[in-house]
Amino acid sequence: AQSVTQLGSHVSVSEGALVLLRCNYSSSVPPYLFWYVQYPNQGLQLLLKYTTGATLVKGINGFEAEFKKSETSFHLTKPSAHMSDAAEYFCAVSPPYSSASKIIFGSGTRLSIRP
Amino acid sequence: DAGVIQSPRHEVTEMGQEVTLRCKPISGHDYLFWYRQTMMRGLELLIYFNNNVPIDDSGMPEDRFSAKMPNASFSTLKIQPSEPRDSAVYFCASSWRGQGNTIYFGEGSWLTVV
Repeated sequence: AQSVTQLGSHVSVSEGALVLLRCNYSSSVPPYLFWYVQYPNQGLQLLLKYTTGATLVKGINGFEAEFKKSETSFHLTKPSAHMSDAAEYFCAVSPPYSSASKIIFGSGTRLSIRP
Repeated sequence: DAGVIQSPRHEVTEMGQEVTLRCKPISGHDYLFWYRQTMMRGLELLIYFNNNVPIDDSGMPEDRFSAKMPNASFSTLKIQPSEPRDSAVYFCASSWRGQGNTIYFGEGSWLTVV
């Protein structure tokens, strides 16, 4: 069975500071990994995903994440936070070569940006 | 391209009333999902369809909830009768197996039962 854990339900950083949102997964095989973002009063939208190949994945809005098999992690980073990054971020995992019905979402991390 | 379209965006209804939420998935997608999001329980998968056929409804909380997908471009989630604890945001989402499991979400239907 797969699972995903997001460390920290709420993260607050200053504008211009590094953003680091943590995600660890459990899977018996190398999974597909996703980060979704949910802005206030909106649905979730895909930020980036890892399926195969390069372990450093770049997404929209300057975010990136690195798949580290040895650490079973897929942390999300952005070098410099912007006020518009304030949102809820969800890490998700699914078995490879399966359907989206197998996706498991984490509990989410709310990112706040201090002026 | 149009994304997943949900209606209504907001609904306030009285306890005991029937609520129908509607969804139009992205054209060409063969999977459709209904999720519920609350502060207490987070994001929950209620039911999903593949090629218009319900595959897994184990997440549907009670018999008061039902979902249909009469064709590839339309689905409904119905709650009858509604209760205050059904207040939540209901998301419809769709996916195509060939896209590496990416799920595309609608904007959500914000339901308040008073």
